[in-house]
Amino acid sequence: SQTIHQWPATLVQPVGSPLSLECTVEGTSNPNLYWYRQAAGRGLQLLFYSVGIGQISSEVPQNLSASRPQDRQFILSSKKLLLSDSGFYLCAWSVGGTYNEQFFGPGTRLTVL
Amino acid sequence: GNSVTQMEGPVTLSEEAFLTINCTYTATGYPSLFWYVQYPGEGLQLLLKATKADDKGSNKGFEATYRKETTSFHLEKGSVQVSDSAVYFCALSEASYDKVIFGPGTSLSVIP
Repeated sequence: SQTIHQWPATLVQPVGSPLSLECTVEGTSNPNLYWYRQAAGRGLQLLFYSVGIGQISSEVPQNLSASRPQDRQFILSSKKLLLSDSGFYLCAWSVGGTYNEQFFGPGTRLTVL
Repeated sequence: GNSVTQMEGPVTLSEEAFLTINCTYTATGYPSLFWYVQYPGEGLQLLLKATKADDKGSNKGFEATYRKETTSFHLEKGSVQVSDSAVYFCALSEASYDKVIFGPGTSLSVIP
């Protein structure tokens, strides 16, 4: 069966510090991978998605970036965090096909102080 | 473009009450429709889905019917429990796309 992991689970960082969040998927090959952000009390905002190694599509201009160094690894980064980067970050995967259910990881709670 | 609209929350119900959360969509083709649930502090889980018109998705006592004529996919449950307290997201996915478009979410609180 497939599983998706995210770490860390929680993170408190000062403004201006770097960020690296990691997501890995097990039990599948060539998944599509996604990073979402969920601000407090709000819906989901798609930040990045990837259909293959090294292929990243950005949905929203951010001071964030994403990379996919391996087939089942997806990394969200920032060189300098802003207060507005606080939120709940969710990684998800899907199999390409005619109907594309997404499977979510447990999330990372980021607080920027 | 494609979009999903959900009823505004938060919704507060007493245990054993009937639940309806409205969802309507706009799409150029014939999308698949989903309901996801997010329990406090967790990621989203797929609750149910429907892939074509008149399909009924069901799971854990929840149901939703794909109504093409009204472009709706309302979520219903006959008798809610405290454990159903969560945020519910309606979503769609076009057949030709991998991305899923989510609605804004509806927060449900069930009180004993």
